[in-house]
Amino acid sequence: RKEVEQDPGPFNVPEGATVAFNCTYSNSASQSFFWYRQDCRKEPKLLMSVYSSGNEDGRFTAQLNRASQYISLLIRDSKLSDSATYLCVVNSWGGKLIFGQGTELSVKP
Amino acid sequence: SQTIHQWPATLVQPVGSPLSLECTVEGTSNPNLYWYRQAAGRGLQLLFYSVGIGQISSEVPQNLSASRPQDRQFILSSKKLLLSDSGFYLCAWSRGGNTEAFFGQGTRLTVV
Repeated sequence: RKEVEQDPGPFNVPEGATVAFNCTYSNSASQSFFWYRQDCRKEPKLLMSVYSSGNEDGRFTAQLNRASQYISLLIRDSKLSDSATYLCVVNSWGGKLIFGQGTELSVKP
Repeated sequence: SQTIHQWPATLVQPVGSPLSLECTVEGTSNPNLYWYRQAAGRGLQLLFYSVGIGQISSEVPQNLSASRPQDRQFILSSKKLLLSDSGFYLCAWSRGGNTEAFFGQGTRLTVV
């Protein structure tokens, strides 16, 4: 089993749609969690950290369920500029950052 | 502020040739450093990470090695490249602990 697994993509949605990405992790001792965004042929960039209490940044909401070892990212009112690959990241132990395989999002007009 | 430099941006190398990719971080001390590889259309595979000078953890058996000769310098090397070494190589740093990582712009390596 992979340490971090994400929903397979691609997700093709119209502008204005709400889309949700899911991610599961296998190491119950994992300490911190993040969502990154990667544009085509570019380096990944931090989108947001994920906290147990859930956190929101504008149209983006991240949730963590430690009991189920599950992380989610919700994007509301999708924009064309949201088209990218979204990567779930888990700090599994001692600073070791493991990435999921990514989920591709394509927002269409 | 902290910055990370990675070079070159693109590289074409023949099979069997050596490789050396360098990454340096400025504006911080004792960072965690990482090398990742991303094959076309795939996720990021952790190759090596380091929590201090001379401390290297290897994640995947392969044709590559890493070294950290100075606190903020991380080098990825190979003695003889294989076709399968082609990919997008990314260096990253973090403050350690439970913190996030920041990436360099990556090196796109094509082995021919």
